[in-house]
Amino acid sequence: GQQLNQSPQSMFIQEGEDVSMNCTSSSIFNTWLWYKQDPGEGPVLLIALYKAGELTSNGRLTAQFGITRKDSFLNISASIPSDVGIYFCAGQLNPFKPGGGADGLTFGKGTHLIIQP
Amino acid sequence: GAVVSQHPSWVICKSGTSVKIECRSLDFQATTMFWYRQFPKQSLMLMATSNEGSKATYEQGVEKDKFLINHASLTLSTLTVTSAHPEDSSFYICSARVRATNYGYTFGSGTRLTVV
Repeated sequence: GQQLNQSPQSMFIQEGEDVSMNCTSSSIFNTWLWYKQDPGEGPVLLIALYKAGELTSNGRLTAQFGITRKDSFLNISASIPSDVGIYFCAGQLNPFKPGGGADGLTFGKGTHLIIQP
Repeated sequence: GAVVSQHPSWVICKSGTSVKIECRSLDFQATTMFWYRQFPKQSLMLMATSNEGSKATYEQGVEKDKFLINHASLTLSTLTVTSAHPEDSSFYICSARVRATNYGYTFGSGTRLTVV
């Protein structure tokens, strides 16, 4: 099956610093998504990317869909304490399938963000 | 916004018993729902795709007779873990595709299953 390599595995940063994490794949995806998961909760969507080369922002978050369709990055600017958590990238090959279904998501292994005040 | 409600949030059961987990789309219709499993400190792994009115599609290595999925209505999908064993203890999360958000995916809050 498809594999997503997400790095770094963990980050220890100071409050106010910028953060960057990325995902690479051995094969293409047609949709890239970035989620944040707090302990004991389901993932919450941060940014969705639907076109190769697309650069999208959501407040202090910026993500890009790589032109090769095999990678994506997420940047967080001016980190704050509530940014702490685990960030996952996720890729999807077929968002629309004949008959109305869709592929599920393939997730990266996550980046654990720890912020020191 | 679109909300996916998952119940229960946690459950403890004895080995050999069955447990049902419900996933409801509260303010939208979900023709397709997905079930994921997450072991501690690991990523989410897709188990199966649940389609309303038809049989679920299971990922390779997932036993369909052990993890029964029923998607009988446009707002409800259920996952039943049959004859649960300690190795089935995990965090189970459902997800639904939401047309209103350009087909983004909303996740439930997850169910922590502990089999003793």
